[in-house]
Amino acid sequence: QQQVKQSPQSLIVQKGGISIINCAYENTAFDYFPWYQQFPGKGPALLIAIRPDVSEKKEGRFTISFNKSAKQFSLHIMDSQPGDSATYFCAASGGGQNFVFGPGTRLSVLP
Amino acid sequence: GAVVSQHPSRVICKSGTSVKIECRSLDFQATTMFWYRQFPKQSLMLMATSNEGSKATYEQGVEKDKFLINHASLTLSTLTVTSAHPEDSSFYICSARGGGGRQYFGAGTRLSVL
Repeated sequence: QQQVKQSPQSLIVQKGGISIINCAYENTAFDYFPWYQQFPGKGPALLIAIRPDVSEKKEGRFTISFNKSAKQFSLHIMDSQPGDSATYFCAASGGGQNFVFGPGTRLSVLP
Repeated sequence: GAVVSQHPSRVICKSGTSVKIECRSLDFQATTMFWYRQFPKQSLMLMATSNEGSKATYEQGVEKDKFLINHASLTLSTLTVTSAHPEDSSFYICSARGGGGRQYFGAGTRLSVL
């Protein structure tokens, strides 16, 4: 119930391509789904977040797609750049539950 | 956006000494702060949750006597690693919960115990 699954574990994308990272959860009480970006040796930084009342949220090149019935959400990075190379964590919280993080996806964008 | 300051960013200490890490929310009040530990290429592992003015809640398997947490004010929480040993070497990250349930992270502290 507490687990958040994330895939792929690692991802290599060419510059200008689309990076897609998927997450799935079990706890239907979750009502807040953020994505964090972490560079080596740094703390995670909030990238974008969504609540279940919408199916998609876009901020610049970053888009979250949310499928409530399937209990899945994904991060799309459009026009991926080498500077996007980092580890991305999805997370979920709600229903009195503290944040539960996915295992992370290491993204490498090739120049 | 909200800022969480964590200090120091890196600390090297001898085995047996104690190390204190500070976490401050700079532009908001955080009634709840969290302490995580992260091993290389792994996700964040929640160690404990601290609420201002009360005792911290530790996750299963985390030694409360080794990892002392104090949340003395709405903007400051500290983690003290007591009698540190090489196996305590890790990346420690704090976070603070702001309005709307958002959680903001500090930059992390790299602890190396010799």
